[in-house]
Amino acid sequence: GAVVSQHPSWVICKSGTSVKIECRSLDFQATTMFWYRQFPKQSLMLMATSNEGSKATYEQGVEKDKFLINHASLTLSTLTVTSAHPEDSSFYICSARDLRQETYEQYFGPGTRLTVT
Amino acid sequence: KQEVTQIPAALSVPEGENLVLNCSFTDSAIYNLQWFRQDPGKGLTSLLLIQSSQREQTSGRLNASLDKSSGRSTLYIAASQPGDSATYLCAVRRSYNTDKLIFGTGTRLQVFP
Repeated sequence: GAVVSQHPSWVICKSGTSVKIECRSLDFQATTMFWYRQFPKQSLMLMATSNEGSKATYEQGVEKDKFLINHASLTLSTLTVTSAHPEDSSFYICSARDLRQETYEQYFGPGTRLTVT
Repeated sequence: KQEVTQIPAALSVPEGENLVLNCSFTDSAIYNLQWFRQDPGKGLTSLLLIQSSQREQTSGRLNASLDKSSGRSTLYIAASQPGDSATYLCAVRRSYNTDKLIFGTGTRLQVFP
């Protein structure tokens, strides 16, 4: 149990375009999902916390107008990178918290590799 | 501000060795600490989660200890295998009412036959 999927696993887009990444909890419900960004050989940095039915909470320094987050259901959160630039190229990972567990453990998706040309 | 550091940054060992990976954090007021494994280009797999009230957790060949007062955790891997090659990340959660995880810098482990 506690499987999180991401789609797509990789995407290449041109500068100026927008790209949407999906994060799904497959076998549990998640009122809270998280979006992380990881640069090569670096650790994960939390970008935002996505709450079902309400606005996302962004970390300091993350542009909310550039990284649009929508959490429309208990099993799906989406991250849209708008007007993408080469510096947005990165590995994006989502996680979801299982409501059933009191430990609040997060389960991570396989990640999405974004390359902006 | 909580900072999490992992030493060494990279490690290359022959198969069969017992390993110790270190994780240190600057603020000892944590709720729990978690160790993850990340294969190249992949997401994270949770290995062990230690609550702040616990001293250690074990799963198979893995043993994680926590010394909250000194701000340290260690991940012990017994009888390492080539399949253990990956990046190992530790992450701390500050309190019960926050989900935010602060990740360490990671240790890249290579176990060669």
